Amino acid sequence: KQEVTQIPAALSVPEGENLVLNCSFTDSAIYNLQWFRQDPGKGLTSLLLIQSSQREQTSGRLNASLDKSSGRSTLYIAASQPGDSATYLCAVNEGAQKLVFGQGTRLTINP
Amino acid sequence: DAGVTQSPTHLIKTRGQQVTLRCSPISGHKSVSWYQQVLGQGPQFIFQYYEKEERGRGNFPDRFSARQFPNYSSELNVNALLLGDSALYLCASSFTGGIFETQYFGPGTRLLVL
Repeated sequence: KQEVTQIPAALSVPEGENLVLNCSFTDSAIYNLQWFRQDPGKGLTSLLLIQSSQREQTSGRLNASLDKSSGRSTLYIAASQPGDSATYLCAVNEGAQKLVFGQGTRLTINP
Repeated sequence: DAGVTQSPTHLIKTRGQQVTLRCSPISGHKSVSWYQQVLGQGPQFIFQYYEKEERGRGNFPDRFSARQFPNYSSELNVNALLLGDSALYLCASSFTGGIFETQYFGPGTRLLVL
């Protein structure tokens, strides 16, 4: 059974810092991995999608990497801003669009 | 363009009752998936539908059912509600439900069971 783990569960950093969020998964037989952002009480916003054949994806200040063989992904956020405060979720796609999610990392950026 | 919409936004029910949640996908999207997110946890996959056919089912009891209509909107039904069914229910859509497609999520319906 696929298990997705995100470390740390919560992170608080001052504005302007670069930071890394971690995601690990137990079964490397995935089609892709997706990073989402969730604001309190709201739905999910897709940030980056990495196909299993890719190593990384970039969007603005965000960069996500994927190492399928070791079951790891990282989300790098450059020059963090207070508006980046949210919960960040990673999810692996096992097929039929069944996403298996981690529990998320709650990120707080302090002005 | 409108995103994925869900109704109602909030709902309060009592144990044993039945509830129906609704989802309208992004225009042109034919695949709809449902997820349950308990407070403090990541979402869990419940169902995926494509062209009115069930394409995938998660590890949920038979009290949970869903269907998709010809206009690709979808309903999630939960019977005999339990306190543990209290959660945010999320709907996601994509063009065909293909494994390489991004899923777009709606704002969710927050269900509280008393």
